[in-house]
Amino acid sequence: GAGVSQSPSNKVTEKGKDVELRCDPISGHTALYWYRQRLGQGLEFLIYFQGNSAPDKSGLPSDRFSAERTGESVSTLTIQRTQQEDSAVYLCASSLRASGRSSYEQYFGPGTRLTVT
Amino acid sequence: KNQVEQSPQSLIILEGKNCTLQCNYTVSPFSNLRWYKQDTGRGPVSLTIMTFSENTKSNGRYTATLDADTKQSSLHITASQLSDSASYICVVAPMDSNYQLIWGAGTKLIIKP
Repeated sequence: GAGVSQSPSNKVTEKGKDVELRCDPISGHTALYWYRQRLGQGLEFLIYFQGNSAPDKSGLPSDRFSAERTGESVSTLTIQRTQQEDSAVYLCASSLRASGRSSYEQYFGPGTRLTVT
Repeated sequence: KNQVEQSPQSLIILEGKNCTLQCNYTVSPFSNLRWYKQDTGRGPVSLTIMTFSENTKSNGRYTATLDADTKQSSLHITASQLSDSASYICVVAPMDSNYQLIWGAGTKLIIKP
């Protein structure tokens, strides 16, 4: 079956512009995560969605970042007034259920490489 | 503070050789420990998931070990291949959360012919 897809694969934007990144999770997966990965660094948790529950936004670095998910489908991550330090790869992952102590696997998309000039 | 530290930061070995990557963690109590492989320009892919009660788990040429007493894990790669060139990431799931994961920074492995 289809895996997690993300679009666009690459995005170059000017400082101060808004960008929207999209994630299509695996069908039937209730849990969805967004991560940020700066060059040569580890994954940084941004936000977690579980079904229709309130998302955990504790990882969002500033109020310029927001994300939405409608039910158990597509999610969008929006960055307003982009800054150069926002340049990174943004990864989306989904899992059948919450992927923590339950050991459910997280399946990752290929990421969106964002470059802010 | 929950942390996952990996060593070495990077490693270069010749094709066909074996290698072992290390992971030390302070997450306690923890539910499971995972190893992921991340190819350049791709998202991470799960290699193994071990619960706190497991000592070893294999996936082909990859064997992960876990010592919960010393809070250490290792990933052993046997008979390395060029396609093993990637970053290998150790991840620990704390017991007190059903969705949070603590990610290591990864070990960048380069296999040379």
